[in-house]
Amino acid sequence: RKEVEQDPGPFNVPEGATVAFNCTYSNSASQSFFWYRQDCRKEPKLLMSVYSSGNEDGRFTAQLNRASQYISLLIRDSKLSDSATYLCVVNTNTGGFKTIFGAGTRLFVKA
Amino acid sequence: DVKVTQSSRYLVKRTGEKVFLECVQDMDHENMFWYRQDPGLGLRLIYFSYDVKMKEKGDIPEGYSVSREKKERFSLILESASTNQTSMYLCASRSGTSPSEQYFGPGTRLTVT
Repeated sequence: RKEVEQDPGPFNVPEGATVAFNCTYSNSASQSFFWYRQDCRKEPKLLMSVYSSGNEDGRFTAQLNRASQYISLLIRDSKLSDSATYLCVVNTNTGGFKTIFGAGTRLFVKA
Repeated sequence: DVKVTQSSRYLVKRTGEKVFLECVQDMDHENMFWYRQDPGLGLRLIYFSYDVKMKEKGDIPEGYSVSREKKERFSLILESASTNQTSMYLCASRSGTSPSEQYFGPGTRLTVT
């Protein structure tokens, strides 16, 4: 089982749609969680951190469920510019600090 | 603004060649990383360094070595390139005091023929 798992997609949605991605992680001792965005042929960049209480940044909402060991990203009112790959990232500190990236979920937003 | 630069965007090498990939960051970050990214596999950590002259193996170090002689520079070396090392290579850096955001370079797409 992979340490961090994501649905690879692709998700094809029309402009204005709401889309949600989930990510599961296997290490219950994981400490911090993030969503990164990666555009085609570009490097990953931090989109937002994920806090236990849930957090929102404009059209983006991230949530963490420690009991079920998953995090989610909700995008409301999708824009064409949201088309990208979204990477789930988990930090653990058992036997040394480690950052684990999911393989990513591809999103295509169409006009 | 943090900047991480990599020496080449595209590189084509022959099997058996020695390959050097250079990475430089300008934010005085303690930690630097080398990843490779392949379709369906995501980012896999090759090596990382938490200080000058220090290095630690990541998940897939076989066939690679690294060098960190200066804080701002972290080099990845393929001693004898093989076709299965064709990949996108991404360098990243992170502040040692804040285990949060990693800043990535633009990547080097290496093709070994």
